[in-house]
Amino acid sequence: TQLLEQSPQFLSIQEGENLTVYCNSSSVFSSLQWYRQEPGEGPVLLVTVVTGGEVKKLKRLTFQFGDARKDSSLHITAAQPGDTGLYLCAALNTGGFKTIFGAGTRLFVKA
Amino acid sequence: GAVVSQHPSWVICKSGTSVKIECRSLDFQATTMFWYRQFPKQSLMLMATSNEGSKATYEQGVEKDKFLINHASLTLSTLTVTSAHPEDSSFYICSARDEGRSGHLGETQYFGPGTRLLVL
Repeated sequence: TQLLEQSPQFLSIQEGENLTVYCNSSSVFSSLQWYRQEPGEGPVLLVTVVTGGEVKKLKRLTFQFGDARKDSSLHITAAQPGDTGLYLCAALNTGGFKTIFGAGTRLFVKA
Repeated sequence: GAVVSQHPSWVICKSGTSVKIECRSLDFQATTMFWYRQFPKQSLMLMATSNEGSKATYEQGVEKDKFLINHASLTLSTLTVTSAHPEDSSFYICSARDEGRSGHLGETQYFGPGTRLLVL
């Protein structure tokens, strides 16, 4: 069974701090997605990483795909209360049919 | 990006009634859509895969007679919670992939905004 292990599960930080969320697997994926979900809403796609070693930036968010395409990280610089939410990593399984999800990282940024 | 809509966004019903939730892909076609259930402060739990023109595929532990899925067109899937009970109260989310696109663009899931169901 392919798994995406996400850590930490919960993070509570002060505004202005930096943080990193990790998404690890023993499997190789052709691409990996990061989503953010706010309470009462569906997950919203933040980014898709495709190439091993790829780094993508979205304002204060930096996403990296591991060289072997087995893991990924999300780094947030100078977190703001608006960054609060559930962050999910996801990837298509080997059969290419179902999407598997990490357990999620619940981030709370205090003003 | 691809857009998926859901209707209604929230619904309150009495125990024993049935509730239908619609999931539409607005700017692409999807032969396959996915239905998830999410409990408070938890990740998504896949309930079933909706297949256009054929029977849905249910995950282990999900009652197919309880959660009826119909995927009658390439842009619409419906989930009907039959004889709803308070324990069915949850946040239901659908998703789809734009299968008309290749590579990673075709691998990305796009989610609806979710439907919050409260059964009294």
